[in-house]
Amino acid sequence: EIVLTQSPATLSVSPGERATLSCRASQSVGRHLAWYQQKPGQTPRLLIYGVSTRATGVPARFSASGSGTEFTLNISGLQSEDFAVYYCQQYNNWPTWTFGQGTKVEIK
Amino acid sequence: QVQLVQSGAEMKKPGASVKVSCKTSGYTFTNYYIHWVRQAPGQGLEWVGWINSNRGNTTSAQKFQGRVTMTRDTSISTAYMELHSLKSDDTAVYYCARDHLGSAEYWGQGTLLIVSS
Repeated sequence: EIVLTQSPATLSVSPGERATLSCRASQSVGRHLAWYQQKPGQTPRLLIYGVSTRATGVPARFSASGSGTEFTLNISGLQSEDFAVYYCQQYNNWPTWTFGQGTKVEIK
Repeated sequence: QVQLVQSGAEMKKPGASVKVSCKTSGYTFTNYYIHWVRQAPGQGLEWVGWINSNRGNTTSAQKFQGRVTMTRDTSISTAYMELHSLKSDDTAVYYCARDHLGSAEYWGQGTLLIVSS
C-alpha cells in the first residue's frame, strides 16, 4: 500500500502570506496525485488533480507541483476562506486510493 | 447540475449492518465510477472502496474486504454501500464521490453512521 505523509501537520500563516504544503509518497505515484480542501462541517473539495491541474472554479492562487514521490501545494496570498484542512490523495494504483493525513492551515 | 444525494444518518448496534445509498443525477450514471470514503470524528479521509457503475465490479480497501458490499441500481442511478459486522470504530461520516480522472470531483453530502450499544 502506498502511504502518503503530509507535512507539516499544522501550518500557521498570516492572511496575505504564502503557504507551502508538502506530500511525500512511500513509492512513486507518477503524476497521479490530487489535493483537496476541507472546511469544518463541509465535504472535501477537489482543488488539484494530475499533480498540477486546477479543478473547475479553483482560484489561480492555488498551484501545485511535483512528481514521483514529492509533491507541493502552494497557496499564495492566503485569504480568510483558505483556512482549512488540505489532503493529498494518490490514485497511481487506481482504483485504489490513499489519502494523506492532512495539513491544517490556520490563522497566525 | 451533477448531484450526489446520500441517505440519512444511521445509528446501529455493534454487529449489525448498515446500507447507505447515493442517488446521482445530472449526468449519465454508468459513465463514471463511484468511490466510497469515510471520515471518523476529527480524523482524516479513508478510502473504503469503488464500484464500476457500468459493470458493477468492485474493489475495496484491504481492511474492509469481506465486510463491505458495494452495489448499484442503474435504473435509478444509485450506488449503495453496505457495511457488515459493525464496530464502534466504524462510527464516521461516509461519503460517496464521483471519479474524475482518478480523483473525486463531486461528493455526496455525507451520511453519519454512529455505532453504539
